[in-house]
Amino acid sequence: ETGVTQTPRHLVMGMTNKKSLKCEQHLGHNAMYWYKQSAKKPLELMFVYNFKEQTENNSVPSRFSPECPNSSHLFLHLHTLQPEDSALYLCASSPRTRFTDTQYFGPGTRLTVL
Amino acid sequence: SQQGEEDPQALSIQEGENATMNCSYKTSINNLQWYRQNSGRGLVHLILIRSNEREKHSGRLRVTLDTSKKSSSLLITASRAADTASYFCATETSGSRLTFGEGTQLTVNP
Repeated sequence: ETGVTQTPRHLVMGMTNKKSLKCEQHLGHNAMYWYKQSAKKPLELMFVYNFKEQTENNSVPSRFSPECPNSSHLFLHLHTLQPEDSALYLCASSPRTRFTDTQYFGPGTRLTVL
Repeated sequence: SQQGEEDPQALSIQEGENATMNCSYKTSINNLQWYRQNSGRGLVHLILIRSNEREKHSGRLRVTLDTSKKSSSLLITASRAADTASYFCATETSGSRLTFGEGTQLTVNP
């Protein structure tokens, strides 16, 4: 285990549902990330948080809403998603947002939007 | 097109053989990292090589970096069935994010 946990591991939701993904890291890191991994596409960075502050939003649609209440927890709130949003959503953390630091990934949440 | 591109997309070998995966990128980098992902799981960091380094070893892994050709290779020696996974390179450019390639799917047959 990498010290980064994600729940739920699998999620099926309709386009009108509202759900949240949770990520927790037990490594004492200060930076946390959300990535989207779709089939046949490179890993896409969505959001970056450093010391609870959002430092990067990679032009992500507003139907994805991140929340970082503290350096150990990161949420991704989902509402009115589209079928093309189905993907594996990965959370990661690192000591700092300097990317020279190794990133530690959680196991991911497999999201299916019907 | 993306910064990092792995080659080949898929590789199938027998246990005990060596596996070589390549990564090409387009812009100057500070460092290049290799990650491994088992099916349906998160990525695990394998090795980081800085732009001023040419070769790095970690156990059965050997990574090379050729900044003149903007390419890197990952060699896994004496492969095992447990090495079956997807392997990704990720590049870090100055003041920027980690950019991942599409990955190489490695299958090691017992």
